[in-house]
Amino acid sequence: DQQVKQNSPSLSVQEGRISILNCDYTNSMFDYFLWYKKYPAEGPTFLISISSIKDKNEDGRFTVFLNKSAKHLSLHIVPSQPGDSAVYFCAASGGDDSGGSNYKLTFGKGTLLTVNP
Amino acid sequence: ETGVTQTPRHLVMGMTNKKSLKCEQHLGHNAMYWYKQSAKKPLELMFVYSLEERVENNSVPSRFSPECPNSSHLFLHLHTLQPEDSALYLCASSQDEGTLYEQYFGPGTRLTVT
Repeated sequence: DQQVKQNSPSLSVQEGRISILNCDYTNSMFDYFLWYKKYPAEGPTFLISISSIKDKNEDGRFTVFLNKSAKHLSLHIVPSQPGDSAVYFCAASGGDDSGGSNYKLTFGKGTLLTVNP
Repeated sequence: ETGVTQTPRHLVMGMTNKKSLKCEQHLGHNAMYWYKQSAKKPLELMFVYSLEERVENNSVPSRFSPECPNSSHLFLHLHTLQPEDSALYLCASSQDEGTLYEQYFGPGTRLTVT
């Protein structure tokens, strides 16, 4: 059973517009959320994170929003640039109902973002 | 120099072979991880090492055997694999164990089991 879901396998936006990538989770014990970005033939690289005590975290063009009641987070990229074209993974941590460890990041399947010039 | 390197980048092996994947980190980190990414599935954590001690074994079959001889090197020894083990194997490291520390990933080894 997938605990972190990225329901859109792909997203295409025009350069300069906003990209919104969505992520839903089911485990109420998650308390830390991250976004990773992956280019082809490279490993994922950390982009931005948010703790469950916040509902927004901003870093330059990237903003992550967290809605705990809806168990939903989103990554906003504005303005989008062609270099942002990559696969974006949502990940969460914080243990599970059985008292799991905080070593484990649970990832979504990823969303391929294409930013068209 | 790239922070986390993995060799080989591609590997094709038969089900009766024995091979090893190598990971090296040049970041002075204390924790290292193996992840598996199968087609159309999320990244799955396999093993976590902290200061060369295994701290997490995520219900991985014994045909995968990790080894961490020092905090800079991590191996994944493979034997009698199955075709369903074909996947991208990613190594990562972080300053210490725990997900609050940013994980730095290597480029991965694309494994095909025939």
